Amino acid sequence: GAVVSQHPSWVICKSGTSVKIECRSLDFQATTMFWYRQFPKQSLMLMATSNEGSKATYEQGVEKDKFLINHASLTLSTLTVTSAHPEDSSFYICSALQGRTEAFFGQGTRLTVV
Amino acid sequence: DAKTTQPTSMDCAEGRAANLPCNHSTISGNEYVYWYRQIHSQGPQYIIHGLKNNETNEMASLIITEDRKSSTLILPHATLRDTAVYYCIVRVLKNTDKLIFGTGTRLQVFP
Repeated sequence: GAVVSQHPSWVICKSGTSVKIECRSLDFQATTMFWYRQFPKQSLMLMATSNEGSKATYEQGVEKDKFLINHASLTLSTLTVTSAHPEDSSFYICSALQGRTEAFFGQGTRLTVV
Repeated sequence: DAKTTQPTSMDCAEGRAANLPCNHSTISGNEYVYWYRQIHSQGPQYIIHGLKNNETNEMASLIITEDRKSSTLILPHATLRDTAVYYCIVRVLKNTDKLIFGTGTRLQVFP
């Protein structure tokens, strides 16, 4: 299957700082990418849909000013967690659509805010 | 909200077939059934998808009932590495359509 790469795999940051997570589709172009968050022992929760060249669409309850999404090219989307707090600690996962049929996922980024 | 219901957990002996059920009684005519799995602390992995007909690939088989209200994912010879959470998702095939995850089934394969 197609490859989606996330970077970093894990990050620890201080409370109040910002963290950027990158999601790249390595061998295909993705006009649409999705960002998810997953807390321990829970399912994936969709945060936002990222479309290349346009503003992201956020799910209800997700603060767009806190979770900044940029999809500047067909192979790269970034999620920036601004002014991070301990409650933002989670597993963040991106997904990229290849064509219309299949969505491939990155390996995830574990964020710990101390 | 997720449109599927799955058992919370299942066990399977290594080498045996694992049959994972999924109920999607409100599925629409243009919605496909997708299966993904997530091994601990990794991103989900695509397994298979289908619309009406049964599908098979190198990983699994997907059996969809004639009324499309339920389906079963079959891992023909489960191995310990198949231990994971399996998610059944219904989705319309368009490039903006979201994948909404339910709670999934935690499959434990034992020796």
